[in-house]
Amino acid sequence: ELKVEQNPLFLSMQEGKNYTIYCNYSTTSDRLYWYRQDPGKSLESLFVLLSNGAVKQEGRLMASLDTKARLSTLHITAAVHDLSATYFCAVGWNNDMRFGAGTRLTVKP
Amino acid sequence: KAGVTQTPRYLIKTRGQQVTLSCSPISGHRSVSWYQQTPGQGLQFLFEYFSETQRNKGNFPGRFSGRQFSNSRSEMNVSTLELGDSALYLCASSSSTPNYGYTFGSGTRLTVV
Repeated sequence: ELKVEQNPLFLSMQEGKNYTIYCNYSTTSDRLYWYRQDPGKSLESLFVLLSNGAVKQEGRLMASLDTKARLSTLHITAAVHDLSATYFCAVGWNNDMRFGAGTRLTVKP
Repeated sequence: KAGVTQTPRYLIKTRGQQVTLSCSPISGHRSVSWYQQTPGQGLQFLFEYFSETQRNKGNFPGRFSGRQFSNSRSEMNVSTLELGDSALYLCASSSSTPNYGYTFGSGTRLTVV
């Protein structure tokens, strides 16, 4: 059974600081997804990573994938309050995906 | 283009009743997946349908079932509702190859009283 572990589960950041969220998974997969969820809302797709070494960036967020280490990272640069949300990684598995527990990010002024 | 549409948005049901939730995927998307989200268990996979066939099923009791129609719309049914079934139910659609990712609907918030 595929296991997906995210850490940290809770992250309180100051505006302007950098931080990284980690996503480890237990079984070989070449598909890794990152989603954002605001309170009471659905999931918004951020990144789709499909190969070893893939790196994608959008604004202050950058995601990378190392399939050999079974590790993906979501790096936050110069955090702003608007980035406060819960971030989920999900690993492609059997035509579908399995989610990590999520990282609740709070950015404080 | 239209997104993934889930109906209804909110439901309140009594223990023992049954409920049917609907999901209309993005036009052209043939895969529909269902997830249950609760504060305690997080996002858990229920099942996935492609071209009217269930390809994958998660570890949920048989009270949870689903189906997909020829137009790719999907329904999930929960019979004999329990208090623990209270959750946000999300569906996601994707094209035949999931390399473009999955698009989620707004979800159905089910409360069992």
